[in-house]
Amino acid sequence: QSVLTQPPSASGTPGQRVTISCSGSRSNIGSKTVNWYQQLPGRAPELLMYNDYQRPSGVPDRFSGSKSGTSASLAISGLQSEDEADYYCAAWDDSLNGYVFGSGTKVTVL
Amino acid sequence: EAQLVESGGGSVKPGGSLRLSCVASGFTFRSAWINWVRQAPGKGLEWVGRIRSKINGGTTDYAAPVKGRFSISRDDSKNTVFLQMISLKSEDTAVYYCTTESPMATTFDYWGQGTLVTVSS
Repeated sequence: QSVLTQPPSASGTPGQRVTISCSGSRSNIGSKTVNWYQQLPGRAPELLMYNDYQRPSGVPDRFSGSKSGTSASLAISGLQSEDEADYYCAAWDDSLNGYVFGSGTKVTVL
Repeated sequence: EAQLVESGGGSVKPGGSLRLSCVASGFTFRSAWINWVRQAPGKGLEWVGRIRSKINGGTTDYAAPVKGRFSISRDDSKNTVFLQMISLKSEDTAVYYCTTESPMATTFDYWGQGTLVTVSS
């Protein structure tokens, strides 16, 4: 069972907005920055968002991140077919003295 | 461009051992913190452990499920990190990825393609 909780799935039609939540606790999200990773089918994960809301170079601005208290969110605006992937949140956990990942959310473009 | 290549995966019986390697190129390896992350078939990502750069002490951290069974080491002369796994269990079956870590940003910036470890009798 993952320390960070995400919905197992999310979906939308092309152009729609999809939001993925990530719920944690004071020892991880509540006190540490959250990062998001995108894993395309059959590929290794890639960094999608860091420091709660910052995008690495090359990540489209239709991806956005936010955090409030012990929860974080990733939003995809203007959903595109190439966004079909698994998305994982992650953070350092002070209680566990290690990194923790969310359970993952599979985004489907209908 | 940074590149990580894992090797050493394969099939092993429960209780057996395996050593994975991660060879890096395209960045200053001796300054890099390297993590191992695994993914069981059809499941999510799980952090395994990390090794800091020697300049930061070269120390290691491990996730609870592998502590005492897995150990991470590095050979900066060969740009290589190793994951030694002993007393393997069926639940260790997974694709193992090595990644670089930016310690200030706590991000996993570059990932290898992964190597599959199957623990089965």
